[in-house]
Amino acid sequence: GESVGLHLPTLSVQEGDNSIINCAYSNSASDYFIWYKQESGKGPQFIIDIRSNMDKRQGQRVTVLLNKTVKHLSLQIAATQPGDSAVYFCAETPGTSYGKLTFGQGTILTVHP
Amino acid sequence: GAVVSQHPSWVICKSGTSVKIECRSLDFQATTMFWYRQFPKQSLMLMATSNEGSKATYEQGVEKDKFLINHASLTLSTLTVTSAHPEDSSFYICSARARGISNQPQHFGDGTRLSIL
Repeated sequence: GESVGLHLPTLSVQEGDNSIINCAYSNSASDYFIWYKQESGKGPQFIIDIRSNMDKRQGQRVTVLLNKTVKHLSLQIAATQPGDSAVYFCAETPGTSYGKLTFGQGTILTVHP
Repeated sequence: GAVVSQHPSWVICKSGTSVKIECRSLDFQATTMFWYRQFPKQSLMLMATSNEGSKATYEQGVEKDKFLINHASLTLSTLTVTSAHPEDSSFYICSARARGISNQPQHFGDGTRLSIL
């Protein structure tokens, strides 16, 4: 089934803190996961991805962790900045990396200066 | 590279009007484009998959006669909301697959905000 929520959870942090955003997925067949950032009035922007044969992947200031046992994905943002304020979505797709994406619930991140 | 453009970015029209939204891949060819709808404070919901030169594939619950999709070229897909009503007001987002020139599965446009009065 799809992991779609009706009311987005929120996370408020102070500038400079680390942020952790979580996502639960439901499709055991999903093997490719992506985190997107969506700013107000814009489309989703790719942040980082991970395949199911990995449990951790690092980018610039961001880390994605994947726990396939409990079907859980997290995004860690180091030294969060005001410009990181946005809605963050996880997305999943089964099979190849070019399949249909199913978006997760989304989390509103607010960074206070 | 891999830029997707949507037009218009915002449209307001009267109930009963049909509205066409364009999705263009500016610097790559896209055999597959996707159309999503997003209501305020909600996630993106896939409406349909648009394949160049063939009929679109609609997700369950999406009326194909209500949301007409045309993908006549490798760089353009259009979504027409026919006889739009206030409940069709939403943020419509397209994405395109840029296989071969990108490691990302889809590239997204900046959306079209549709308001039906």
